[in-house]
This record gives sequence, structure tokens and C-alpha cells, in this order.
Amino acid sequence: RKEVEQDPGPFNVPEGATVAFNCTYSNSASQSFFWYRQDCRKEPKLLMSVYSSGNEDGRFTAQLNRASQYISLLIRDSKLSDSATYLCAVKGNTPLVFGKGTRLSVIA
Amino acid sequence: NAGVTQTPKFRILKIGQSMTLQCTQDMNHNYMYWYRQDPGMGLKLIYYSVGAGITDKGEVPNGYNVSRSTTEDFPLRLELAAPSQTSVYFCATQGSPDSPLHFGNGTRLTVT
Repeated sequence: RKEVEQDPGPFNVPEGATVAFNCTYSNSASQSFFWYRQDCRKEPKLLMSVYSSGNEDGRFTAQLNRASQYISLLIRDSKLSDSATYLCAVKGNTPLVFGKGTRLSVIA
Repeated sequence: NAGVTQTPKFRILKIGQSMTLQCTQDMNHNYMYWYRQDPGMGLKLIYYSVGAGITDKGEVPNGYNVSRSTTEDFPLRLELAAPSQTSVYFCATQGSPDSPLHFGNGTRLTVT
């Protein structure tokens, strides 16, 4: 099992839709979790950290399920500008490990 | 504050040539990282450093070298460029082990 796995997509959704991504991790000792957004030919940028109790930032909600070893990202009311690749990142005993990313295309 | 600055932005190398990718930060972060990203693939860790004078190998260190003589700078050296090193290289910094990474703009390298 790979250390961090994501569904590569692409997810093609209409504007206004709700979309959710999952990211599974193999190291049960992992302590820090993040979602990054990466636009085409750009560097990854931090979208949000993921806290144990779950957290929300506007239209974005991140959740952690330690028992099943996955994190999720929910995007409500999708905008065209949300089109990007979303990378999850997990830290256990080693430096941050990134998933390959899930590509989202929001269509008008 | 510039954050994390990488130079050059683009470079084309011939097979066997060498070059240094520069990374400098003004965030006073101890932790610095070099990742490479190939199309459709995730970020793979090449080398990292937890402070000046300390470096360690990541997942894909072969063909690369690093040094960390100051907190600010973490250059990545390619000694004998190979086509397999064609990639986008990202430098990143981190304030503490559990905090998020901050990335530079990347260097797009082509080896032909």
C-alpha cells in the first residue's frame, strides 16, 4: 500500500456543485495533515490544515478519520476558480509525504 | 518579504552538464526541502535539511547533492545531468516539523 493515495480524477463538476475528495494514508502514527492546491505549472499552495475535530474555511471543509486512516476535503458551491489539482500531504515519522493529487475541473 | 526564492525559473541542459539550482528564504525557517515533480506524478523528496550544516537524503537522492551552510540557502547540485532529471524542482521551507510547507515558484529543468 502506498504511503499516501488519492483518486487522480479528473472530477468534472458543474458550477455550484458540491464535491468531495478523499486521501488515504498508511502510517497510523501520522500526526499532521494538510490540503494543498496546485494550479497548472505553479507551485503548491496551502489550502488548509486538517485538524482532528474537522475544520471549515468558507466553502471548504476538511475532516480527519483516524480509524479508517483518511482525510477528506469537501468543496461546496464550486466556482470556476476552484479548478485546480488538490494535493493531500501527511506527516508521520518522516518529512511530509504528498499524494499525487486529484484534478478538479469546474464547468460553467 | 520574498518568502522562498528559486532561481533560475527555466533551464535547458545538455546530457552530462552540471548546474546548481538555487533556493533562498527569508522566513528564518530551519527546515528546507527539495522536491521534484514529474507530469502526473506527485512530489518526490530529493533531499532535506533540518538546519544549517545538516542534510539528509529523501526518496530520490541519486544524481543530486545539497549543502546547507546557512539558514537562508539550500542549493541543489546536479553533477552529470541525465534526461531522467527533466522535471520541475520545488524548494520548500517549514518553520517546525508539524507545520505546513511553503514552496518556491519552482525551476523547470529540461535535459536533452
